[in-house]
Amino acid sequence: GENVEQHPSTLSVQEGDSAVIKCTYSDSASNYFPWYKQELGKGPQLIIDIRSNVGEKKDQRIAVTLNKTAKHFSLHITETQPEDSAVYFCAASMNLYNAGNMLTFGGGTRLMVKP
Amino acid sequence: AAGVIQSPRHLIKEKRETATLKCYPIPRHDTVYWYQQGPGQDPQFLISFYEKMQSDKGSIPDRFSAQQFSDYHSELNMSSLELGDSALYFCASTRQDSGELFFGEGSRLTVL
Repeated sequence: GENVEQHPSTLSVQEGDSAVIKCTYSDSASNYFPWYKQELGKGPQLIIDIRSNVGEKKDQRIAVTLNKTAKHFSLHITETQPEDSAVYFCAASMNLYNAGNMLTFGGGTRLMVKP
Repeated sequence: AAGVIQSPRHLIKEKRETATLKCYPIPRHDTVYWYQQGPGQDPQFLISFYEKMQSDKGSIPDRFSAQQFSDYHSELNMSSLELGDSALYFCASTRQDSGELFFGEGSRLTVL
């Protein structure tokens, strides 16, 4: 089955700096790659996703890049703010239109933004 | 916008007791998923339902069962609870033609 690895497990940055979280996946059939932000005591919140026919996607301060050949994808957060502090999960799915049960999550990255 | 609603938010049970968690998906979402998240771990898929029928099964113990009702809400029933069942249980919903998964706030189960 699919295996998703996520690095780093913890990341501490200064407010205003950029943060990059990287994930690799094992199954080349995966075609949907969402990123979730989970704050303490809350459910994972979808922040951005990318599909296999796109190499990069941007939404304000958040961007995701995908390299299908190398089987890795990354989350980039620019101009970080203290409210960006949370645990971020990457995930991969082999079923674009029925992602939930095929979602394999990475181990998570705890991002801490210091004011 | 309406989100996925889960209840109860917190539940404390003794070993060997039973527990029921409820999930109300986002309106017009036809698919519901249940995930279990242990402390410091990523969510693990348990079971899913599409149009009230079980669509897939993950690492769900035989002691657990779930169903989706005519109003699309879902319930996760857990029996013979064990200490290791203590975790956050998330429900997520989506529309089959969307793929975007939206999670609820979770139900924290503590088994003593």
